[in-house]
Amino acid sequence: SQTIHQWPATLVQPVGSPLSLECTVEGTSNPNLYWYRQAAGRGLQLLFYSVGIGQISSEVPQNLSASRPQDRQFILSSKKLLLSDSGFYLCAWRSPDSTPRRGEKLFFGSGTQLSVL
Amino acid sequence: GQNIDQPTEMTATEGAIVQINCTYQTSGFNGLFWYQQHAGEAPTFLSYNVLDGLEEKGRFSSFLSRSKGYSYLLLKELQMKDSASYLCAVLDSNYQLIWGAGTKLIIKP
Repeated sequence: SQTIHQWPATLVQPVGSPLSLECTVEGTSNPNLYWYRQAAGRGLQLLFYSVGIGQISSEVPQNLSASRPQDRQFILSSKKLLLSDSGFYLCAWRSPDSTPRRGEKLFFGSGTQLSVL
Repeated sequence: GQNIDQPTEMTATEGAIVQINCTYQTSGFNGLFWYQQHAGEAPTFLSYNVLDGLEEKGRFSSFLSRSKGYSYLLLKELQMKDSASYLCAVLDSNYQLIWGAGTKLIIKP
């Protein structure tokens, strides 16, 4: 069966410090991978998605970047955190054999609560 | 612009029935999802509707009317564990998911 691991669960960082959140998926090959941010009272915001190693699409201009160094590894980074980067970050995957046209669901990691102070 | 509207919060009693509404205005439509999210946890899939009508899955049902841009999630025989946020999301014409802010459901004994 497939599993998704995301860490750390919580993180408190000072403004201006770097960030690295990691997500790995097991039990599937070539998954489509996603990073979302969830701010209080707002819908999930898609930050990045990837359909393969080294292939990253950014949905919104921001202080963050993403990388996919291995097939089942997705990393969210920042060189200098801003207060506005605080939020709940979720990694998700979807089967590579699926298409959105079939309404294939996303599977989410357990999330990282990031507080920038 | 694209917009998904859900009530911010609802309260219901254990054992009762509750209906959570979602209205959407998107550039195209390729299906609507409902997810459940307990506080501090990941969203989990509940249902997917692409055709008009009611889809029933145990205590949970989801309804869609494409002409009205409207969906609802119906929860029957409410249990305390149903206390969570319920997220509505629409697949637009570009097959991108547009998410609502979620409805926080509070269940009282």
